[in-house]
Amino acid sequence: KAGVTQTPRYLIKTRGQQVTLSCSPISGHRSVSWYQQTPGQGLQFLFEYFSETQRNKGNFPGRFSGRQFSNSRSEMNVSTLELGDSALYLCASSSPGKGAGTEAFFGQGTRLTVV
Amino acid sequence: DQQVKQNSPSLSVQEGRISILNCDYTNSMFDYFLWYKKYPAEGPTFLISISSIKDKNEDGRFTVFLNKSAKHLSLHIVPSQPGDSAVYFCAARGLWGNTPLVFGKGTRLSVIA
Repeated sequence: KAGVTQTPRYLIKTRGQQVTLSCSPISGHRSVSWYQQTPGQGLQFLFEYFSETQRNKGNFPGRFSGRQFSNSRSEMNVSTLELGDSALYLCASSSPGKGAGTEAFFGQGTRLTVV
Repeated sequence: DQQVKQNSPSLSVQEGRISILNCDYTNSMFDYFLWYKKYPAEGPTFLISISSIKDKNEDGRFTVFLNKSAKHLSLHIVPSQPGDSAVYFCAARGLWGNTPLVFGKGTRLSVIA
């Protein structure tokens, strides 16, 4: 079974530009979550999509947005990039079931550098 | 307000000895706890989990202990191996699986040969 695939792996953008990152979840998984990892801050939750609907949202500005397609693939977009947006962006997929916590499976991440 | 806390940013252990990584949480609605391991330039990989109905879960060299009254969990690795050197993240979520995972900031474990 293929794992979570994120593209691209590395990206360099200029301040003020926008960027789109892509995530293909594990086959059959309908939940996709996005996290931002910066040094010393751990993984901070951005948002979660389930069946094309945003189900949960973290505490990030509106410049961060996302969407999910009918095949469960997800994209996240960051507009008007700032230097502080430089981070590793991680996507995770899971198959949540009622009454049972499930682990999330992560992709390798997209390393975004804003210059 | 940090709901999941890993108060030790780093830990060094001799090969063959026990590694103990600690995690505290504040949200009493958390009912399911997970540990992830992360190598540089890779995504976190799931290691072991425990639900609140248990106080211990074991998988090979890895054991997670949960003290619900103290809102504390720990990961024990015995014996520690150099390949265990990585950043370990503690995470928590509500039991129903439709709430996002909340992560701690991680503890960097170095196992010295």
